Amino acid sequence: AQSVTQLDSQVPVFEEAPVELRCNYSSSVSVYLFWYVQYPNQGLQLLLKYLSGSTLVKGINGFEAEFNKSQTSFHLRKPSVHISDTAEYFCAVSPKAAGNKLTFGGGTRVLVKP
Amino acid sequence: NAGVTQTPKFQVLKTGQSMTLQCAQDMNHNSMYWYRQDPGMGLRLIYYSASEGTTDKGEVPNGYNVSRLNKREFSLRLESAAPSQTSVYFCASSDFIYEQFFGPGTRLTVL
Repeated sequence: AQSVTQLDSQVPVFEEAPVELRCNYSSSVSVYLFWYVQYPNQGLQLLLKYLSGSTLVKGINGFEAEFNKSQTSFHLRKPSVHISDTAEYFCAVSPKAAGNKLTFGGGTRVLVKP
Repeated sequence: NAGVTQTPKFQVLKTGQSMTLQCAQDMNHNSMYWYRQDPGMGLRLIYYSASEGTTDKGEVPNGYNVSRLNKREFSLRLESAAPSQTSVYFCASSDFIYEQFFGPGTRLTVL
């Protein structure tokens, strides 16, 4: 079984400041890793994914994440946030052998202040 | 191209009532999923269908049933609603393991 821990439930940040959202996972098998974003009153959409290869992954809207296998982490970063980045962000994993089943973390609410 | 659609958007039920949540996708995806979202718990998989004609239990299947009506449609049924089923329900679909596409959600309240 897999589990995902997002260490911060809420992150307030000022506009144009950097932000980092932390994600740690636990799994006995190799996994794929994902970050999804949920804007208010909407469904989730994929920000980025790590499947293999380079551990630094770039996604949409200027976000990037780094896979650290030894620390079982997949932290999300953005160097300069905008008001429009206010949303909830979810880290998720799926086992490579059964990739259709996602396990989500509890989510991190990002509130960007002017 | 509407993607994944869900009906209804909102629903209020009394304890013991039944209802069916509808989901349809127009992306010709093989796999479809039902999740529930509760504060602080992220999304939890209720049931999924890897392909037309197959369904499997996810993490929290108790109290729910599903039907994969055809390749496009995947419904979720609550036979006897309970207050613990108050949640936001999301349907999703995918064709590869790399990305799931989500609907806008159904906000369900059980009194």
